[in-house]
Amino acid sequence: QSALTQPASVSGSPGQSITIACTGTSSDVGGYQYVSWYQHHPGKAPKLMIYDVTHRPSGVSNRFSGSKSGNTASLTISGLQAEDEADYYCSSYTGSDTLWVFGGGTKLTVL
Amino acid sequence: EVQLVQSGAEVKKPGESLKISCKGSGYSFTNYWIAWVRQMPGEGLEWMGIISPGNYDTRYSPSFQGQVTITADTSINTAYLQWSSLKASDTAIYYCARRILPSYSRSGGWFDPWGQGTLVTVSS
Repeated sequence: QSALTQPASVSGSPGQSITIACTGTSSDVGGYQYVSWYQHHPGKAPKLMIYDVTHRPSGVSNRFSGSKSGNTASLTISGLQAEDEADYYCSSYTGSDTLWVFGGGTKLTVL
Repeated sequence: EVQLVQSGAEVKKPGESLKISCKGSGYSFTNYWIAWVRQMPGEGLEWMGIISPGNYDTRYSPSFQGQVTITADTSINTAYLQWSSLKASDTAIYYCARRILPSYSRSGGWFDPWGQGTLVTVSS
């Protein structure tokens, strides 16, 4: 099972919106609703930001939103803040021997 | 507070064995699967495998099958990841994470929370 495809980096200015795409196949992203997104500040524990494609855990800002179309999922962050600068990973359940796959990660820079 | 606390950084030589741990607290340990995830230097996340502390059912990614062993000790709410013979290529940060199963399904899910990570360095 190949990793999901994410852009290596994205950037935006404070207050702007950015979208990170996560492309898989019909065997993972396109086949299941179990797409999740994680925020990772290096040296810290990854943090769940979105689950089940669109759902936000309690405590996560509503500036974070998720969506999916076909084999591509997306994470949108609106009203960018300096604290959003981090690595972001998507993940999908696959149902195959490799039960979950992750994207390669996207480094978000807030200019 | 639900949390997973991992054991500290390790420096080992090739061929040595190692067992790192992940202790859960703030929830019923046997009710949630625990996954292990690798992050090699400068790379993304890779799912390694998962264990159900409730019945010790364990699944491995084909990439890690036979390379590592995942176990759990429910008496101390701790999951383990172990190697019998480390290689330099095992140098990485290893994370444990609790699997959340959706209420409407017996499969799938996501991971929350995650441990803080254990850095394993294998060098001669």
